[in-house]
Amino acid sequence: DIQMTQSPSTLSASVGDRVTITCRASQSISSWLAWYQLRPGKAPKLLIYKTSTLESGVPPRFSGSGSGTEFTLTISSLQPDDFATYCCQQYSSSSRTFAQGTKVEVK
Amino acid sequence: QLVESGGGLVQPGGSLRLSCAVSGVTVSRSYISWVRQAPGKGLEWVSVFNADGTTYYADSAQGRFTVSIDTSKNTLYLQMNSLRLEDTAIYYCAREAHGSGLGSTFDIWGQGAMVTVSS
Repeated sequence: DIQMTQSPSTLSASVGDRVTITCRASQSISSWLAWYQLRPGKAPKLLIYKTSTLESGVPPRFSGSGSGTEFTLTISSLQPDDFATYCCQQYSSSSRTFAQGTKVEVK
Repeated sequence: QLVESGGGLVQPGGSLRLSCAVSGVTVSRSYISWVRQAPGKGLEWVSVFNADGTTYYADSAQGRFTVSIDTSKNTLYLQMNSLRLEDTAIYYCAREAHGSGLGSTFDIWGQGAMVTVSS
């Protein structure tokens, strides 16, 4: 199975900061990479698919880039609603594996 | 919309059936997965029901879990047998979208159902 890892595991930031999260795949997944926002007690929310395509309704301060085995999620100007956990998912293979996630917390 | 139910406490070796009530689309024409999150862990894909009626399972679920549908209730089920401590998790049903041909992302999720396996 393709393994997914993220860094950092926790990130402390302030409103207005530019935030970058890195996701790595154990083998090439081309551009088949998605990002989700997770909040306790709520359903996960799809933010980005195919590395850089924003899901409908997602604010443009979110962006994604990368290819092959290394990918990034960037939040250009962190908003109060963005303090949450973010995780990446590969869908290059049928195993649909997720990374552990990065918690973005208040600095 | 997807709404899970049926979670609860079960002893190791026991069984439980989760339901995912689907609205807005016909379940038999949908691609819907079960995804779980164990306490303190990341998300883990468990199984998928495809619109052609085929089902696929993660290795951790193969042989113990079974996905089925009831078209009269427009509901998807996850029958879980031989439950283990490590099956303790929140179980979500999620609609597949933006597929690669092999895998997919998940664009609509239910609110989740908690399954606790404990003696």
